[in-house]
Amino acid sequence: DQQVKQNSPSLSVQEGRISILNCDYTNSMFDYFLWYKKYPAEGPTFLISISSIKDKNEDGRFTVFLNKSAKHLSLHIVPSQPGDSAVYFCAASATGSARQLTFGSGTQLTVLP
Amino acid sequence: DAGITQSPRHKVTETGTPVTLRCHQTENHRYMYWYRQDPGHGLRLIHYSYGVKDTDKGEVSDGYSVSRSKTEDFLLTLESATSSQTSVYFCATETSGRASPRNEQFFGPGTRLTVL
Repeated sequence: DQQVKQNSPSLSVQEGRISILNCDYTNSMFDYFLWYKKYPAEGPTFLISISSIKDKNEDGRFTVFLNKSAKHLSLHIVPSQPGDSAVYFCAASATGSARQLTFGSGTQLTVLP
Repeated sequence: DAGITQSPRHKVTETGTPVTLRCHQTENHRYMYWYRQDPGHGLRLIHYSYGVKDTDKGEVSDGYSVSRSKTEDFLLTLESATSSQTSVYFCATETSGRASPRNEQFFGPGTRLTVL
């Protein structure tokens, strides 16, 4: 039973447009959320995070939105660049088991030139 | 980036044989993790360590054991490998410092293990 779900295995967007990656969670104890990015043959790298006390966090071209009532978060990339093509993983943790991250299954983003 | 290496990077073994994967870090991070990545499942936590000789089980720990005798090394052992353990294994570390975002983990390059 997946507690963190990324229902879109893949997404293609044109360079310069907005990429929106979605993530849903079921565990109401999750209070911290992260996005990781992974290139082929490499380990994931941390991208951006958000605490449940916020509904938005921005870092350059990357913005994460959190809707707690819907148990939904999204990652917006504006403008999208070909170098953004990678697999994006959503992850969540709960205070009390804060060392354990639960990951979604990932979304392959392809940014077309 | 944290200096994290994994060895071997690729391994093919036969069912029933023991296998040990090594993770080495040079950042003196307190926490270390072993994950496996499988299609449709993302990354799943196998075991983690919060210090030398202190380890705990993750979501998919059956069939795996770990040891951490030094801060810099975290070993994952498959006592008797099975085909269901064919996967890509990632090691990760995390500092206990407050300057870093919570749960910002640094990942190694991965080990691709095939059990025939």
